[in-house]
Amino acid sequence: DAEITQSPRHKITETGRQVTLACHQTWNHNNMFWYRQDLGHGLRLIHYSYGVQDTNKGEVSDGYSVSRSNTEDLPLTLESAASSQTSVYFCATSLRTSGFEQFFGPGTRLTVL
Amino acid sequence: DQQVKQNSPSLSVQEGRISILNCDYTNSMFDYFLWYKKYPAEGPTFLISISSIKDKNEDGRFTVFLNKSAKHLSLHIVPSQPGDSAVYFCAAPHYGQNFVFGPGTRLSVLP
Repeated sequence: DAEITQSPRHKITETGRQVTLACHQTWNHNNMFWYRQDLGHGLRLIHYSYGVQDTNKGEVSDGYSVSRSNTEDLPLTLESAASSQTSVYFCATSLRTSGFEQFFGPGTRLTVL
Repeated sequence: DQQVKQNSPSLSVQEGRISILNCDYTNSMFDYFLWYKKYPAEGPTFLISISSIKDKNEDGRFTVFLNKSAKHLSLHIVPSQPGDSAVYFCAAPHYGQNFVFGPGTRLSVLP
């Protein structure tokens, strides 16, 4: 079965460290998205990609970067982790030509101390 | 720009009764709306959608209503079951193929 995997599922890091969260999908979807979920804010878009070599900033992109070198993966990098980046991070995918529904991974809980 | 509001952070209903979750959006340029359901420690899962060419879409116990003039969506769950207890997110289109999500409503269905 096609799926989206995220790793690690839980991460504790220190302020100032670089952190990379992995997202891997086997849906063969063109579009990939990174969101963060915080209480009272719902899901906020960090970065997104419509295909290989394409990346775009979302609503809350400061302090984050992504790269898309293949269809399956969109890693999210926190260049210098800050306590404000403590959150739950979700990766999602969608197929450009079909309904736009997004399929979500299980999430990564990141704590920055 | 698109903003999505879900003004009820939480809702409690008795098992077997109707649950009604509401959502308001600001930009009516786009025409496709989504509802997601989220259990703790899991990713959101797609529940139901509606296109603006319709004012209602039904899938089993779940029905979504769209009032375009009021820029308002509602999700009805009938009858509500304890397994429906979750956080529900409404999503409205933004530019490109992106969506803006509301803050969510936590539904508790009491046995």
